[in-house]
Amino acid sequence: DAKTTQPTSMDCAEGRAANLPCNHSTISGNEYVYWYRQIHSQGPQYIIHGLKNNETNEMASLIITEDRKSSTLILPHATLRDTAVYYCIVANAGNNRKLIWGLGTSLAVNP
Amino acid sequence: GAVVSQHPSWVICKSGTSVKIECRSLDFQATTMFWYRQFPKQSLMLMATSNEGSKATYEQGVEKDKFLINHASLTLSTLTVTSAHPEDSSFYICSATTGAGANVLTFGAGSRLTVL
Repeated sequence: DAKTTQPTSMDCAEGRAANLPCNHSTISGNEYVYWYRQIHSQGPQYIIHGLKNNETNEMASLIITEDRKSSTLILPHATLRDTAVYYCIVANAGNNRKLIWGLGTSLAVNP
Repeated sequence: GAVVSQHPSWVICKSGTSVKIECRSLDFQATTMFWYRQFPKQSLMLMATSNEGSKATYEQGVEKDKFLINHASLTLSTLTVTSAHPEDSSFYICSATTGAGANVLTFGAGSRLTVL
């Protein structure tokens, strides 16, 4: 599975949009981009995933570049409860569901 | 939505004892469950993959005789840390998938193990 590169940490003001980047330049054609987040001392929580097209759900939007080498997770109106570590993972959606977890981006939403 | 319950959320035990952690999918049948371990300020490390009715597949470096995994039903998997030692103190997390869809995992809340 391809590796990803994310900034170690980011800050965001409460109520503003949080844009979390992820580079995955070695992604292959059948690999999806997944985003999970982990609030301190809890299990990870699925946020969103996509293959080629931009995706939106009740939690966030996922923007994938046309060449698929990078993506951005957007939290449109960040709240204090969005403070967490955000993981960007690329993986094949085949039988092997093993996801490789990096260190993610630690997002701090400030009042 | 899919819910995974993990119990206990925290446990303290003496060195040499065994500890069992349960992972249950509450509203769906989990064909596959995963067990992870996470040390402070580190990422999740996959320990093993558990499929209902078959032996678990362990990752390299994980002792299968020390970390016993049982997946006897489509809604329950257990991890038993046998003869626990202080170095086994960690945050243990399970996740489950229905097998449908693209790798979307539902995680339990985690179990904090402290071995004295």
